[in-house]
Order: sequence, then C-alpha cells, then structure tokens
Amino acid sequence: DAGITQSPRHKVTETGTPVTLRCHQTENHRYMYWYRQDPGHGLRLIHYSYGVKDTDKGEVSDGYSVSRSKTEDFLLTLESATSSQTSVYFCAITDPGRANYGYTFGSGTRLTVV
Amino acid sequence: TQLLEQSPQFLSIQEGENLTVYCNSSSVFSSLQWYRQEPGEGPVLLVTVVTGGEVKKLKRLTFQFGDARKDSSLHITAAQPGDTGLYLCAGALQAGTALIFGKGTTLSVSS
Repeated sequence: DAGITQSPRHKVTETGTPVTLRCHQTENHRYMYWYRQDPGHGLRLIHYSYGVKDTDKGEVSDGYSVSRSKTEDFLLTLESATSSQTSVYFCAITDPGRANYGYTFGSGTRLTVV
Repeated sequence: TQLLEQSPQFLSIQEGENLTVYCNSSSVFSSLQWYRQEPGEGPVLLVTVVTGGEVKKLKRLTFQFGDARKDSSLHITAAQPGDTGLYLCAGALQAGTALIFGKGTTLSVSS
C-alpha cells in the first residue's frame, strides 16, 4: 500500500542518452513533484505538476523535461544525460487542500551517468 | 543562497543524551515541516507547524516554530539508536507552493 512508487529503483546509463524516470501514485493527489538529492545540496526541486498537463519549472530544471498525461503518472526525462545528473531522484505527492498537508515521497531512483 | 539553513550538519551522540537541531531563515514561511530520512528511502513527514510560536510534541520529539515564522527547532529527549537518520526541515513561502528544503542534519546515536 505504498501509494507512490518510482521506477526504476536503480539505473546506469551512458552520457548523451535519454532517460525517463516514472512516478506512479494511487492517492489521486493533484500535486506531484520531482526533486534531486545530492550531498552538500540537499533536496532541490526540478519540476512540479499541479494537475494533468499542468507543469512548471523548479530551481534546477535545465536538462530535464516532464509530462503528466494522467493524474497518477508523472514522468521525468533527462533529454541527454550528463555526469552532473548523477543523483538520487525523488518523486513526491501532496494534496494542499488538506490541513497541515505534507509530502509523501517515493523510495527514490538512484541514477548513475557514466 | 540557501534559504533554509540547518545546524548542525552532523551530530554524533550517545544513547540517552538530549539534542536540538535548528532550522533558520531570513524569510517568513507559511508553514514549516520536519522530515526524517533513512538510507535508501525517501523522507517521511514527522510534523507540520503553521502558527508562529507553535509547539508540537511527538513522543520524545518536540518541534517549535519561531514567533516570526522564520525559524524552527527540533529537540529530541533521551535519544535512542532508532533515532539515527537524516533530519530535514522544509518550508513553504506561501500556502500551496513547493517546499524548499534545508540541507539536513545527519544524526548518529550510538548505544
């Protein structure tokens, strides 16, 4: 009953190749987010979505694109992977309509670009 | 520029000791949240504070939101090895906006 799952959990890819990470939720939450977590930087927002086909850029969006064609799925694409995109990627969901809302995070995708 | 500064960055203590982690900013936040993260997993929400001066308790953990809503603290009483993990504070500048995270405090409690 995870409510949010990320796939794959681990991936190794070569520089210059496109990569797509998937976030799937069963909570019917409207808001979904992609963060990356790096030592010394903490969690930084890449892109977010506030509804189907409604997305916006975060702090570190260069080199990334997203799509959300269904409420339950939020895809993150690295258009041409670079070594600087080696990181752990987390998806999060929330429903701001609830009082004291918090984020529910997935377990993360560890991406290595070689 | 880091909007939310957490201190200390690392903390290594013995079981039974007390500790406090701080989260400071020059900006006013609509709400602040604290998360705990274990290796290989995503952060898990511990608490949300929304009112200046608010204090919330979760067993041995006490969370406080500053009167001006610019800072917060997490106090753990009688730490246990199970408290080991990465503690993250996160804030929303306005209700409904994306959370901004601090860099985290890595806590290690040894028995």
